[in-house]
Amino acid sequence: GEDVEQSLFLSVREGDSSVINCTYTDSSSTYLYWYKQEPGAGLQLLTYIFSNMDMKQDQRLTVLLNKKDKHLSLRIADTQTGDSAIYFCAESNGSGYSTLTFGKGTMLLVSP
Amino acid sequence: GAVVSQHPSWVICKSGTSVKIECRSLDFQATTMFWYRQFPKQSLMLMATSNEGSKATYEQGVEKDKFLINHASLTLSTLTVTSAHPEDSSFYICSYGQGNQPQHFGDGTRLSIL
Repeated sequence: GEDVEQSLFLSVREGDSSVINCTYTDSSSTYLYWYKQEPGAGLQLLTYIFSNMDMKQDQRLTVLLNKKDKHLSLRIADTQTGDSAIYFCAESNGSGYSTLTFGKGTMLLVSP
Repeated sequence: GAVVSQHPSWVICKSGTSVKIECRSLDFQATTMFWYRQFPKQSLMLMATSNEGSKATYEQGVEKDKFLINHASLTLSTLTVTSAHPEDSSFYICSYGQGNQPQHFGDGTRLSIL
């Protein structure tokens, strides 16, 4: 079945860039997502990328996709303490009606 | 943007109680909604797919008689945890998607069974 892997923990200093990595196994993945979850809260969609794209940038966020290696990364520029949260990588092989397969999440800790 | 309202946000109740969680789409009609469960420090696991006007589709290992899903209208899906026990304590989250748009999630319901 599909599998999504992420590193579990990342610690950075405020102002530095953060890079969270994700690998997936489903070659039919068409949508790849990054969600943010703060303690006790639901999931907030940060950004997503279609499988026919290599890169997507949205303000401080840059998503890179290497489809050959099935590798996805999220770069957060100028990381702030408010960025501390768990970041989930997810993939689906269809539209918004399709189920998502999530990674276990990466906890990002930003220190002052 | 799309908004999902989930209610209640936190429930604490005694073992044996049935608990109903509501998930509403506020800005469009959702024919399909998803219910996920998240145990502490773990990822989200899909429980079931809720289809308006028909029976929900449950994932393997999820008891349909334990987790009753009703999607009677295009804006509301409910999940009822029947005769809840401490092992059902978890974070339950609903989501929906539309067409080629990504899924949006509710804020989740934290269920604590004593």
